[in-house]
Amino acid sequence: AQSVAQPEDQVNVAEGNPLTVKCTYSVSGNPYLFWYVQYPNRGLQFLLKYITGDNLVKGSYGFEAEFNKSQTSFHLKKPSALVSDSALYFCAMYSGGGADGLTFGKGTHLIIQP
Amino acid sequence: SAVISQKPSRDICQRGTSLTIQCQVDSQVTMMFWYRQQPGQSLTLIATANQGSEATYESGFVIDKFPISRPNLTFSTLTVSNMSPEDSSIYLCSVEVSGGYTFGSGTRLTVV
Repeated sequence: AQSVAQPEDQVNVAEGNPLTVKCTYSVSGNPYLFWYVQYPNRGLQFLLKYITGDNLVKGSYGFEAEFNKSQTSFHLKKPSALVSDSALYFCAMYSGGGADGLTFGKGTHLIIQP
Repeated sequence: SAVISQKPSRDICQRGTSLTIQCQVDSQVTMMFWYRQQPGQSLTLIATANQGSEATYESGFVIDKFPISRPNLTFSTLTVSNMSPEDSSIYLCSVEVSGGYTFGSGTRLTVV
């Protein structure tokens, strides 16, 4: 069965330091992978996606993610964290095969400390 | 990307009643999706709604509890029927356009 794992419930980073939010996936085919951010009392905002091509994907707000097929990972990164990056981050996957929606990871709370 | 208008944004409902959530998209889309986000949890797909056909429900969700309408290519509704406190969640609609998924702002439902 397909699944998305975010192994960390919370990640704490000092402002200005690089950040990484981890995501791994399990699927039989080639997935489409996504990162979304959710601020309190707001909907999901799209950050970036990987469908095919260059393994390094650049997205909104300075975020990027690297698709690693051998490690089945799609970690979210940013070179220098901002306090305003503090939010709940979701990794999601579309595995194809018809009219399926997205499979989400459980989410990771990112806390940027001033 | 598509812009989604979802309403109501929040509601407090009595147990045993039903609530219908509306989702309006600013462009025609083939597939619309409904998700549930229980408190402190991730998003779980409830069903996929295609215009002109019955919605496809995921395991654990049934049409009698979550009837869905999809009358045209820009609109869908999700009804949460015979509500109980366990239905308290955020409900979100989503559309797929050119390989990307856009989400509505969600409906925060509290059942008392």
